Amino acid sequence: DGGITQSPKYLFRKEGQNVTLSCEQNLNHDAMYWYRQDPGQGLRLIYYSQIVNDFQKGDIAEGYSVSREKKESFPLTVTSAQKNPTAFYLCASSTAPAIGGYTFGSGTRLTVV
Amino acid sequence: KQEVTQIPAALSVPEGENLVLNCSFTDSAIYNLQWFRQDPGKGLTSLLLIQSSQREQTSGRLNASLDKSSGRSTLYIAASQPGDSATYLCAVPGAGNMLTFGGGTRLMVKP
Repeated sequence: DGGITQSPKYLFRKEGQNVTLSCEQNLNHDAMYWYRQDPGQGLRLIYYSQIVNDFQKGDIAEGYSVSREKKESFPLTVTSAQKNPTAFYLCASSTAPAIGGYTFGSGTRLTVV
Repeated sequence: KQEVTQIPAALSVPEGENLVLNCSFTDSAIYNLQWFRQDPGKGLTSLLLIQSSQREQTSGRLNASLDKSSGRSTLYIAASQPGDSATYLCAVPGAGNMLTFGGGTRLMVKP
C-alpha cells in the first residue's frame, strides 16, 4: 500500500545537537511538506518542496533545514539554532497542485533532554 | 490571506447523537477542501476530500458538504460512537499548494 513513513516515532535530543527526522513516500507525489504541532495548537508549516532539488521556507523555518535530493524523500534537520524544538512533527505529501488532497505521516515526537 | 475557522472548538455529546461540525474559509477560490481526523499523539487521517465542483461527499456515517460561494463546509457525523472521539480538522489548499488549517474541533463522545 502507498503511504508516508516517518521515523523515528520518538526522538530525544540533547542541548546543542542536530537531529534529522526522516520522511519517505511511495505515492509518486511531487510535493512534500513539514509541519510542526505544539500541544493544544494548530499545525504550522516549516518547509515545503514542490519538486526535487527545490524547497521553500514556510512560516517557521528558522532553526530547521531540509533537502530534497530524491522525489521519495524529504528529511528535516532540527539544528541547535532551534531554541524550542520539543514538538510533534508531521510530514505530508501531495500532487502539485493538490487535486487529490494531502496524505500525512504518523509523526515524530521530538523531546529535548 | 486565507483564514479557516472551525466552530465549535470543543464538543461533548452522549453516544448516538447526530453531530454537525462547521468550517468556514475567507477565500472562496479553492479547488478542494479536506477533512481530517487526529487522535491524540497520532498523525492526520484523511476522512473526506471534496472537490470545488462537488456539493458533498459521503463515507459511511460521515457526510461533508461544501458551499464555495458562502465559504462554508459542514461535516455531519451520524449516530456518534465513543470511537469517534478525536480532533477534527478542515483544511484548504492555497498559494504555493500549501494547506491552511482550521483550529480544529475536539470531539468527545461519551458512552
